[in-house]
Amino acid sequence: QKEVEQNSGPLSVPEGAIASLNCTYSDRGSQSFFWYRQYSGKSPELIMFIYSNGDKEDGRFTAQLNKASQYVSLLIRDSQPSDSATYLCAVNGEDTDKLIFGTGTRLQVFP
Amino acid sequence: EPEVTQTPSHQVTQMGQEVILRCVPISNHLYFYWYRQILGQKVEFLVSFYNNEISEKSEIFDDQFSVERPDGSNFTLKIRSTKLEDSAMYFCASIYGLQETQYFGPGTRLLVL
Repeated sequence: QKEVEQNSGPLSVPEGAIASLNCTYSDRGSQSFFWYRQYSGKSPELIMFIYSNGDKEDGRFTAQLNKASQYVSLLIRDSQPSDSATYLCAVNGEDTDKLIFGTGTRLQVFP
Repeated sequence: EPEVTQTPSHQVTQMGQEVILRCVPISNHLYFYWYRQILGQKVEFLVSFYNNEISEKSEIFDDQFSVERPDGSNFTLKIRSTKLEDSAMYFCASIYGLQETQYFGPGTRLLVL
């Protein structure tokens, strides 16, 4: 059974701080890695995707991938209260295009 | 910017009734997906669809479920005889090519009484 694991949180950070969200996956053949943000009652909204080892930056967001450790992370710099949401890690494998999601980490950014 | 749309946004039905959830994928996309999310749980893959046939389905997608692309724009999920445990948010997603980012529609909240 291919799994994606995330700490459910909540992760509480003050406004302006860096929030660090982590995810591990079990399928070593996984190719593509995604971070989605989900507000309560809404659909997942893509934040970042990453395919290669290393860091990928987009504005306040940085995704980090370490395939050897089967680990993906998302850093949110200068966190804002509007970043408060559940962050979903999703992975797909080399022989499938379906996304396998983690349970999500709830982030709370307090003023 | 093009979006995936879904109707209805909410559906309430009685156990045993048939429901059809509708999705309009982004117009030039070729691969279509249904996912569901039971309240408080993770998003789960149901089925993927390409070239007018199912390309992959999960254990959840049993004989009660079916998908169809009845015309050039709509992509539907039918649940033949709903159960209480089918109550969930159902999300449609689409992509143009494999390994691309899947964009999700706003979802249909299904409540089975």
